[in-house]
Amino acid sequence: ELKVEQNPLFLSMQEGKNYTIYCNYSTTSDRLYWYRQDPGKSLESLFVLLSNGAVKQEGRLMASLDTKARLSTLHITAAVHDLSATYFCAVDENYGGSQGNLIFGKGTKLSVKP
Amino acid sequence: DTGVSQDPRHKITKRGQNVTFRCDPISEHNRLYWYRQTLGQGPEFLTYFQNEAQLEKSRLLSDRFSAERPKGSFSTLEIQRTEQGDSAMYLCASSPLAGGYNSPLHFGNGTRLTVT
Repeated sequence: ELKVEQNPLFLSMQEGKNYTIYCNYSTTSDRLYWYRQDPGKSLESLFVLLSNGAVKQEGRLMASLDTKARLSTLHITAAVHDLSATYFCAVDENYGGSQGNLIFGKGTKLSVKP
Repeated sequence: DTGVSQDPRHKITKRGQNVTFRCDPISEHNRLYWYRQTLGQGPEFLTYFQNEAQLEKSRLLSDRFSAERPKGSFSTLEIQRTEQGDSAMYLCASSPLAGGYNSPLHFGNGTRLTVT
């Protein structure tokens, strides 16, 4: 059974600082997704990572995937208040086949303070 | 692209009552998913459809839950004999078949269920 763990679960950062959120998963997969959720809102797709070594960047966020280590990271550069949200990683449990169900981590609640 | 639409946004019901939620996916999306999210947790998979066929159902889903997608467009999720433990946000998501796994799931705003 695929398990997805994120850490930290809570992160309080100062504006301008850098930090990394980690996502580990327990069984082989080559598809990993990052989502953002604002309070009371739905999930917004951030990144789709489909191969070992994949790296994607959007603004102050950069995501990477190491399928051998079963690890993805979401790196935040020079944080700003607008990045405050909960970030989820999700792993497709249907390795090697068509798109399957996504198994989500518990989320990392990020708070960026001035 | 009007996004995934869910109705109602909020539902309060008494224990033992039946409730039904509706989801309208993005029009060209073949795949439709239902997830449940409780406070402080990530979304938990319930079931998914490809067109009108229900392809997978979570082992965690009790027999009180049933979902349909009769014409391959909108979907309904019914919970019979609701229990307090059913209180959660029910999220619907859709994705296109053509894009394969390069296409993330697009989520709706959810239906928040409170069982009293």
